[in-house]
Amino acid sequence: KNQVEQSPQSLIILEGKNCTLQCNYTVSPFSNLRWYKQDTGRGPVSLTIMTFSENTKSNGRYTATLDADTKQSSLHITASQLSDSASYICVVTVNTNAGKSTFGDGTTLTVKP
Amino acid sequence: KAGVTQTPRYLIKTRGQQVTLSCSPISGHRSVSWYQQTPGQGLQFLFEYFSETQRNKGNFPGRFSGRQFSNSRSEMNVSTLELGDSALYLCASSLTRGTYYEQYFGPGTRLTVT
Repeated sequence: KNQVEQSPQSLIILEGKNCTLQCNYTVSPFSNLRWYKQDTGRGPVSLTIMTFSENTKSNGRYTATLDADTKQSSLHITASQLSDSASYICVVTVNTNAGKSTFGDGTTLTVKP
Repeated sequence: KAGVTQTPRYLIKTRGQQVTLSCSPISGHRSVSWYQQTPGQGLQFLFEYFSETQRNKGNFPGRFSGRQFSNSRSEMNVSTLELGDSALYLCASSLTRGTYYEQYFGPGTRLTVT
């Protein structure tokens, strides 16, 4: 069964600190892995998308890594800001069919001043 | 280029009623997917439409239905609403270029069933 597991479930950090969110998946065959940021009550916004051949992708203070061999991905946030408080969702897609995307339950990040 | 738009943004309905939600994808995107998001449940896939045809369907009862028009706009209908249908309903349009795939979400429609 295709699964995407994210950890931790929630995280609280102080403003300015770094943090790393984890995503482990069993989806196969792998097409791409995406990280989304979702503010409360809003739609998810894409942060990064990585295919099999990519192992690092950055978007400002966000850096995603992918190890296709161990089926693990991480999202590293540098110098956190209060606006980083949100849910971060990992999505793994088989082929290019939306119906075969598997969503993680997300990590809720709270950045405190 | 305008993003994915969803209307209405907020909706309050009574149990037993039906509701129709609308989604306009990004121009040029032919695929529209619908998701239900409830607290603690994550995003649950409802269905996907591509060129007016339902291409995939999630594990939801038949009360949930959808359609797509020739201009790629999509509607989702829920009949005989239940309290448990209260959720954020998200629409996403997607673009496939060869092996490249990207999915963009709308702001969602917050449905409250009382």
